[in-house]
Amino acid sequence: EADIYQTPRYLVIGTGKKITLECSQTMGHDKMYWYQQDPGMELHLIHYSYGVNSTEKGDLSSESTVSRIRTEHFPLTLESARPSHTSQYLCASSTDSPNTGELFFGEGSRLTVL
Amino acid sequence: AQSVSQHNHHVILSEAASLELGCNYSYGGTVNLFWYVQYPGQHLQLLLKYFSGDPLVKGIKGFEAEFIKSKFSFNLRKPSVQWSDTAEYFCAVRGYGNKLVFGAGTILRVKS
Repeated sequence: EADIYQTPRYLVIGTGKKITLECSQTMGHDKMYWYQQDPGMELHLIHYSYGVNSTEKGDLSSESTVSRIRTEHFPLTLESARPSHTSQYLCASSTDSPNTGELFFGEGSRLTVL
Repeated sequence: AQSVSQHNHHVILSEAASLELGCNYSYGGTVNLFWYVQYPGQHLQLLLKYFSGDPLVKGIKGFEAEFIKSKFSFNLRKPSVQWSDTAEYFCAVRGYGNKLVFGAGTILRVKS
């Protein structure tokens, strides 16, 4: 059972609001990731972190930002939400070992922007 | 850039039917290959993975996958599906840059 938690699970908000999607893991993993998933589409990596104070943009351009002040916490923020941000956001973590490769996923945060 | 292609987006099978889900990737270097599964209402979880060695990999719940390097493929198989296998299945490849790239997923529905 993976110990990675995302809140909120579902969020419906109006355009222009600031939102933060929370992600926490209790496994002590150094690497954490945010993926964006639309129905019938690939999961796209939008942000990743290899440790505290380390954040990088992923393959898919995103207007969101992330921070990594603590190992266990990797929140994603949208300063001004728009309908184009409507999607599911998946947080994941993995160990530092290159030989395991397994990502542990949270249950996702489904965001709807009206 | 590497990419992953899953051939079918929706598959419907009856219980006890055999399953094969196709996955092809585009990257010529050394790869690590994965299948993840997402059961309804649950998080994505690892089904099986291939790093090296025997190209036939066995995973949980009777699933297996075969890595065919010449075909850039990593198809998922199960001889006899059950209703509880209803889920979405994602193929993923890790190659250049050490990042995981996912396919679009295949939704499997097993009729009881």
